[in-house]
Amino acid sequence: QVQLQESGPGLVKPSETLSLTCTVSGGFISSYYWTWIRQSPGRGLEWIGYIYYGGSTNITPSLRSRASMSIDTSKKQFSLILSSVTAADTAVYYCARVGAYCTGDCSQPPDHDAFDIWGQGTMVTVSS
Amino acid sequence: DIQMTQSPSSLSASVGNRVTITCRANQNIRNYLNWYQQTPGKAPKLLIYAATTLHSGVPSRFSGGGSGTDFTLTISSLQPEDFATYYCRQTYSTPVTFGGGTKVEVK
Repeated sequence: QVQLQESGPGLVKPSETLSLTCTVSGGFISSYYWTWIRQSPGRGLEWIGYIYYGGSTNITPSLRSRASMSIDTSKKQFSLILSSVTAADTAVYYCARVGAYCTGDCSQPPDHDAFDIWGQGTMVTVSS
Repeated sequence: DIQMTQSPSSLSASVGNRVTITCRANQNIRNYLNWYQQTPGKAPKLLIYAATTLHSGVPSRFSGGGSGTDFTLTISSLQPEDFATYYCRQTYSTPVTFGGGTKVEVK
């Protein structure tokens, strides 16, 4: 079955750039949207953004000035880059697949989505 | 941004209890809502999409209800593996937003 695995440094210094990669195994990277979500210690879930297999992105406004995403379909990987990090960026970072679902009349294109497959998450600490 | 508010933030219950969690959106999101379950140290798991449709493999004791602004997640008979934190997420528009979570604890 499809599995996702995040990789990247566990410790980043303040003002530096965080770079994470998610590797997709057991399935296709094409024809899906992929996403990054983070969760600060003891806190809820924060969506970072989407990337489509064709390369288009949609990043949450609060991080748009510092975050970018890329995808390498040949390697079945997609990546998150977050610049000028601060302690507030300390979190567990998850990658996930955005599944498309139809309800009712499934002769039409799917009209619902859900984060249906998640990586295990990787803890990133921002500290000097 | 669409704000999602869950209540309660935590609850205590026993095995076999019926549990209901509420999620409210600050605008009409029709049925564009997911529910997720997260246990400590693990990634969230998808339970329900389109407000009421059970994801493949999810036990039938879980059910979702509601549309518009008010939604519920009900566990009909709580099992030991159900003690976890539950999150709703609106899929109506970006930016994606989650509820603050409801922690279901052992009474």
